[in-house]
Amino acid sequence: AQRVTQPEKLLSVFKGAPVELKCNYSYSGSPELFWYVQYSRQRLQLLLRHISRESIKGFTADLNKGETSFHLKKPFAQEEDSAMYYCALIPGGYQKVTFGTGTKLQVIP
Amino acid sequence: DAGVTQSPTHLIKTRGQQVTLRCSPKSGHDTVSWYQQALGQGPQFIFQYYEEEERQRGNFPDRFSGHQFPNYSSELNVNALLLGDSALYLCASSLTAGGPDEQYFGPGTRLTVT
Repeated sequence: AQRVTQPEKLLSVFKGAPVELKCNYSYSGSPELFWYVQYSRQRLQLLLRHISRESIKGFTADLNKGETSFHLKKPFAQEEDSAMYYCALIPGGYQKVTFGTGTKLQVIP
Repeated sequence: DAGVTQSPTHLIKTRGQQVTLRCSPKSGHDTVSWYQQALGQGPQFIFQYYEEEERQRGNFPDRFSGHQFPNYSSELNVNALLLGDSALYLCASSLTAGGPDEQYFGPGTRLTVT
């Protein structure tokens, strides 16, 4: 069975500081990895997926199969980045998504 | 397009009762997935419906059942409610069930069991 671990419940950084939200996964095959974000009073939405290898709102995430990690990074945090971030895994085929427990990012002005 | 809609927004039930939650997918989407999100936790997959059939199921007891209608809308039913069923129930729709794809989430239904 697959599992997603986000070790930090809360991450506080100052505006302009680098951000790294950690995500580790366990799965024997080659999964698809995603980051979802939930801003205050908004619904859960997709931020980025590893297969597209794109940068969204300045965030990037690289899949490291050796370390089974998919950390989310941004070089300079902005106040509007404050939100709840969830790492998610899809094993492939049908969309049985496994979410991590989430990390709350708090950007201090 | 209003996106994914869910009803009701909030619901309070008593232990042992039964509850039905409803979801309308985003226009054009044919697949609906249901999740339970307990306080402080990430969403947990309950099941997914495609072509009116349950296609995948997570680790939830048979008290949790669902249905998908020809118009792709869906219902989640929970029987014999327990206090531990108190959670936010999320519905997500997607365009295909054949592979990883972006899921669009609804705002959720907050269920409180007393």
